[in-house]
Amino acid sequence: DTAVSQTPKYLVTQMGNDKSIKCEQNLGHDTMYWYKQDSKKFLKIMFSYNNKELIINETVPNRFSPKSPDKAHLNLHINSLELGDSAVYFCASSQGLAGGSLDTQYFGPGTRLTVL
Amino acid sequence: AQSVTQPDIHITVSEGASLELRCNYSYGATPYLFWYVQSPGQGLQLLLKYFSGDTLVQGIKGFEAEFKRSQSSFNLRKPSVHWSDAAEYFCAVRSGGSYIPTFGRGTSLIVHP
Repeated sequence: DTAVSQTPKYLVTQMGNDKSIKCEQNLGHDTMYWYKQDSKKFLKIMFSYNNKELIINETVPNRFSPKSPDKAHLNLHINSLELGDSAVYFCASSQGLAGGSLDTQYFGPGTRLTVL
Repeated sequence: AQSVTQPDIHITVSEGASLELRCNYSYGATPYLFWYVQSPGQGLQLLLKYFSGDTLVQGIKGFEAEFKRSQSSFNLRKPSVHWSDAAEYFCAVRSGGSYIPTFGRGTSLIVHP
């Protein structure tokens, strides 16, 4: 009964390819996120969706396109992969947007993307 | 703007010893504070959080943290470390009106037998 799940766990691909990472949460949360963790372990917010609507896009290149088919899913599609895209990508979810005490983020296990 | 500093990149302790991981934040009002743990190859797991009330917060796995407003700190402690506690620990801060936390750079905990 994993709360936030991601697939695949590992992704190795060549430069220039297009790939997708899927995320699903079964917590009934309204808000979902994508984070990028670089080689120095720094976590940076990429996107946030609330009720399938894009709320935050933190100056991420438009090669990255999130898609939220429903509240429980937020997928990340990456076009024309570059070496610098190599990182661990985390999906997360939270109850809502109010910023209150209920809005703790719960993270998925991460997807380690390696671009060769 | 909110910010978080974890001054120790690595901490090494012996199994059974006590542990304190430091976290300092910068934010004008009372923040929401979190500690997450990332085990090797795993995602981030919430250890504990502080929103209001008692400044000593108990979490999972025997961890606790104390909010000290005067020092702008939220240090994580454990009285006796187990080898399985070896992991990366992240402190995060969020303002009351924002739902996006700012994460520190993490502290890597190494546990010697």
